Amino acid sequence: EPEVTQTPSHQVTQMGQEVILRCVPISNHLYFYWYRQILGQKVEFLVSFYNNEISEKSEIFDDQFSVERPDGSNFTLKIRSTKLEDSAMYFCASTSQPGQPQHFGDGTRLSIL
Amino acid sequence: AQRVTQPEKLLSVFKGAPVELKCNYSYSGSPELFWYVQYSRQRLQLLLRHISRESIKGFTADLNKGETSFHLKKPFAQEEDSAMYYCALRIYSNYQLIWGAGTKLIIKP
Repeated sequence: EPEVTQTPSHQVTQMGQEVILRCVPISNHLYFYWYRQILGQKVEFLVSFYNNEISEKSEIFDDQFSVERPDGSNFTLKIRSTKLEDSAMYFCASTSQPGQPQHFGDGTRLSIL
Repeated sequence: AQRVTQPEKLLSVFKGAPVELKCNYSYSGSPELFWYVQYSRQRLQLLLRHISRESIKGFTADLNKGETSFHLKKPFAQEEDSAMYYCALRIYSNYQLIWGAGTKLIIKP
């Protein structure tokens, strides 16, 4: 069964540094999402992406965040200048149509020092 | 505002006992509800969606619009059911998922 893959599984970064989290959605999926889960808290929606543009973003997704689909297969989340409070699990998800269930990757654990 | 509430952070039951994981939602529109499961060191996986009305791994969940609930039930728990369970609401305006805080289910032998 095809899967969403995320790399790296764990990223450790100094505060203030830029970080890029990578996701390879399922190949025939067109709708992509990023969520995050701070340790001990609930999963939170960050952004949805379709047709090479953001379709929706949450209040968390401020100017420090950006998403890109650089090459037709990868879907990346960039945090420009990381803060301690960005430490969390980041999940990528994809779906073929917005009405279909979202398929999740394993997540990337981001630790900001 | 849209909200999903899972009142129990932790639920511990004996193998063979019935299980009910509670989920309540708040949404003014027509809800679409899901249960996702996360086994230890694995990814979030879709367990159930209310429109399918299926039974997966012995679990069922019925949407009760009057009580705004979507509780997950299984009549006889098995040890392999131990996992984190998340209830999620999809809102139609933008298809994002609103998540509950999750319930950790522990099945004791």
